[in-house]
Amino acid sequence: AQRVTQPEKLLSVFKGAPVELKCNYSYSGSPELFWYVQYSRQRLQLLLRHISRESIKGFTADLNKGETSFHLKKPFAQEEDSAMYYCALRGRKGGSEKLVFGKGTKLTVNP
Amino acid sequence: GAVVSQHPSRVICKSGTSVKIECRSLDFQATTMFWYRQFPKQSLMLMATSNEGSKATYEQGVEKDKFLINHASLTLSTLTVTSAHPEDSSFYICSARGLAPEDYNEQFFGPGTRLTVL
Repeated sequence: AQRVTQPEKLLSVFKGAPVELKCNYSYSGSPELFWYVQYSRQRLQLLLRHISRESIKGFTADLNKGETSFHLKKPFAQEEDSAMYYCALRGRKGGSEKLVFGKGTKLTVNP
Repeated sequence: GAVVSQHPSRVICKSGTSVKIECRSLDFQATTMFWYRQFPKQSLMLMATSNEGSKATYEQGVEKDKFLINHASLTLSTLTVTSAHPEDSSFYICSARGLAPEDYNEQFFGPGTRLTVL
């Protein structure tokens, strides 16, 4: 079974501080991991995916297969980063390609 | 990026009536569309996956006779909530995955439909 765990419901930091949103997953095959972001009153949008190995809006995430984690990090948080962040996993085992989401972390960046 | 629209954005209906929600991919063809349900302050729960021209695959615990899904074309999928009850009140979000190779692995999300059943 596919499972995504985001242990923090809420995370609050000050502007300029580093931020790390945790994500752990459970999947027996080779997963694809994603981070999605939902700003206030906007639709869900893809922030980044592990296969791209890119940095978007200063955010990075590294897939650690040993720890089954895909934590999202940013060295200096900005107020506009305040949003809901969802970690998601898509598996390939058995032809299942559905996206399973974690419960989300609400990030608040205070001035 | 590709755009997915949903209509209506908000609907209020009486208990016992049926409500249809449309999901369209505006500038790309979607081989697969997904329907999610999101309760307040909770995550997205996948309800069903539909491929154009075939029957939808429902997740465990989702009543297929209650939530009818039709994916008649590569740009349109509909979700009909039949005989709606107050417990069906929720935020319904659709997502579409593209046909073109560069779109295939990414899911694009609609803005959601807020359903309130009185």
